Amino acid sequence: NAGVTQTPKFRILKIGQSMTLQCAQDMNHNYMYWYRQDPGMGLKLIYYSVGAGITDKGEVPNGYNVSRSTTEDFPLRLELAAPSQTSVYFCASSYGLAGNEQFFGPGTRLTVL
Amino acid sequence: GENVEQHPSTLSVQEGDSAVIKCTYSDSASNYFPWYKQELGKGPQLIIDIRSNVGEKKDQRIAVTLNKTAKHFSLHITETQPEDSAVYFCAAKPMEYGNKLVFGAGTILRVKS
Repeated sequence: NAGVTQTPKFRILKIGQSMTLQCAQDMNHNYMYWYRQDPGMGLKLIYYSVGAGITDKGEVPNGYNVSRSTTEDFPLRLELAAPSQTSVYFCASSYGLAGNEQFFGPGTRLTVL
Repeated sequence: GENVEQHPSTLSVQEGDSAVIKCTYSDSASNYFPWYKQELGKGPQLIIDIRSNVGEKKDQRIAVTLNKTAKHFSLHITETQPEDSAVYFCAAKPMEYGNKLVFGAGTILRVKS
């Protein structure tokens, strides 16, 4: 199993550009999550999904959108990129139910200039 | 909502010494407390977790203790080794829909040899 994969690893965007961060998992997990990690701030939840077709906002959803058309994929869309979105983005998945381990991808480092 | 505070933000220890990282949480209904280790350039990985009906859990050199009354939990690493150097995150799972986690800000642990 590849686990959780993310592409790209690095990306530089100009202000106002858009992009999609890709995330896929091959563990047949129901739950998937997007986090951003800023220095000294821990991980903040952007969006999450409890299954195909179901998504919901986390702590910091503004400026982002997600979709979940399949169990495997959970892309994160940035529209009109802003410098405040410079961060490292992690996708994670878990089997579901309460207290199951979240498995993280390797991350995407995004810089908005 | 849940708020998790983590201390210290950085910790340096000599190889072979013990390291202790502490976290406090605000929501008394939180029932699951994982600890994640993040090595440089990688995503966080679960190292140990504890549920609210347990006071202590050990796994070789790592242990976690939970004090529900005081709403705090701690990670204990004994006989530290250079490969323990990493960023450690605590988290709490509030009793909310979606198996979401709220993370602490992280502790940079340096083990000096």
